[in-house]
Amino acid sequence: QKEVEQDPGPLSVPEGAIVSLNCTYSNSAFQYFMWYRQYSRKGPELLMYTYSSGNKEDGRFTAQVDKSSKYISLFIRDSQPSDSATYLCAMNTGFQKLVFGTGTRLLVSP
Amino acid sequence: ETGVTQSPTHLIKTRGQQVTLRCSSQSGHNTVSWYQQALGQGPQFIFQYYREEENGRGNFPPRFSGLQFPNYSSELNVNALELDDSALYLCASSLQGAVKTEAFFGQGTRLTVV
Repeated sequence: QKEVEQDPGPLSVPEGAIVSLNCTYSNSAFQYFMWYRQYSRKGPELLMYTYSSGNKEDGRFTAQVDKSSKYISLFIRDSQPSDSATYLCAMNTGFQKLVFGTGTRLLVSP
Repeated sequence: ETGVTQSPTHLIKTRGQQVTLRCSSQSGHNTVSWYQQALGQGPQFIFQYYREEENGRGNFPPRFSGLQFPNYSSELNVNALELDDSALYLCASSLQGAVKTEAFFGQGTRLTVV
């Protein structure tokens, strides 16, 4: 069993839709949770950073962490074609390695 | 832009050869981590360098080695290249000891082994 599970998609939505991206994990020691956006042939770009459980909002993006269920989510409101990318969840216990999901490919059509 | 730069951006090597990839960390950061991202997969942790020493290693063989320099820049060396080493190699910069352990990535080096 992988430490982090993420549906690879692709997830296709029309412009303006609300997008929900999710990851589950198995290591209860994870405390730091991140979402990265990666455009084709580029490095990952940090979108959201959350410590422990709870919600965090930044513009059109909302990150949720439910440690009791070992489940994290990223919501994108009013999705735009420019949001088309691969979204990677990542987590760690502290300073060392990040453990990534496979990434979900999102396609937002005009 | 994250301020993390990697070189070269692309290269092609022959099986059995050796390769060196380079990374300059973001200003103010003291830790560099290297990741391998195969096509269609998430990045996999190779190792981390802090204070010029290896500070954690993933499930990669010893032919993957690295260095960190006093200015916190870093190199990844891979010996005896294999076809499966073809991937995007990512460098991530962070600040050890900070309250937040955010890691910022460079654009990556795409390595093709033929």
